[in-house]
Amino acid sequence: EAQVTQNPRYLITVTGKKLTVTCSQNMNHEYMSWYRQDPGLGLRQIYYSMNVEVTDKGDVPEGYKVSRKEKRNFPLILESPSPNQTSLYFCASRDSLWGYTFGSGTRLTVV
Amino acid sequence: AQKITQTQPGMFVQEKEAVTLDCTYDTSDQSYGLFWYKQPSSGEMIFLIYQGSYDEQNATEGRYSLNFQKARKSANLVISASQLGDSAMYFCAMPPDTGRRALTFGSGTRLQVQP
Repeated sequence: EAQVTQNPRYLITVTGKKLTVTCSQNMNHEYMSWYRQDPGLGLRQIYYSMNVEVTDKGDVPEGYKVSRKEKRNFPLILESPSPNQTSLYFCASRDSLWGYTFGSGTRLTVV
Repeated sequence: AQKITQTQPGMFVQEKEAVTLDCTYDTSDQSYGLFWYKQPSSGEMIFLIYQGSYDEQNATEGRYSLNFQKARKSANLVISASQLGDSAMYFCAMPPDTGRRALTFGSGTRLQVQP
């Protein structure tokens, strides 16, 4: 089954403790991206990657890092999480301009 | 710049009735598309339907159809024969224009289907 897999689905962590949210797709898509969703603000793009070793900032990159060492994986790294990074996070991949597939989301709470 | 506007924060509909969720858009592109996504309370983002600006027929996927009116720049989602499981947030979204890489989302409409 074609899918984007995010882990974990739920995470509660403390301020300053480094964490990684993994994202993996099995569709051989070149383009992958991360979004965060916050009430009243909708979905905003954090980072995107056009291919292996090619990443670029989205609209809200501060406090996040990404890497794209393999085509299928695009982890989101929070080096020093803060409470304002409490959000619902989505990974998405794309095979064409129109064909987006989203992961199931990761609910992150930073206390 | 692209913009998506969903003016209905919340909607109620009776089970088995049809409902229309509004979406208007603004873009300078000649070729573009519109998505609709469903987000149930569990949080995942589920693709429902897509329409390209040059598609001549309105898109249909099962009980979902898109009432696409280019002159009005609207792409309303019509759900026929509503079911209790249709209760969710619904987002209209547009793929990136040539200058950006992010999907542009509307603010969403929360639909509640009542028995």
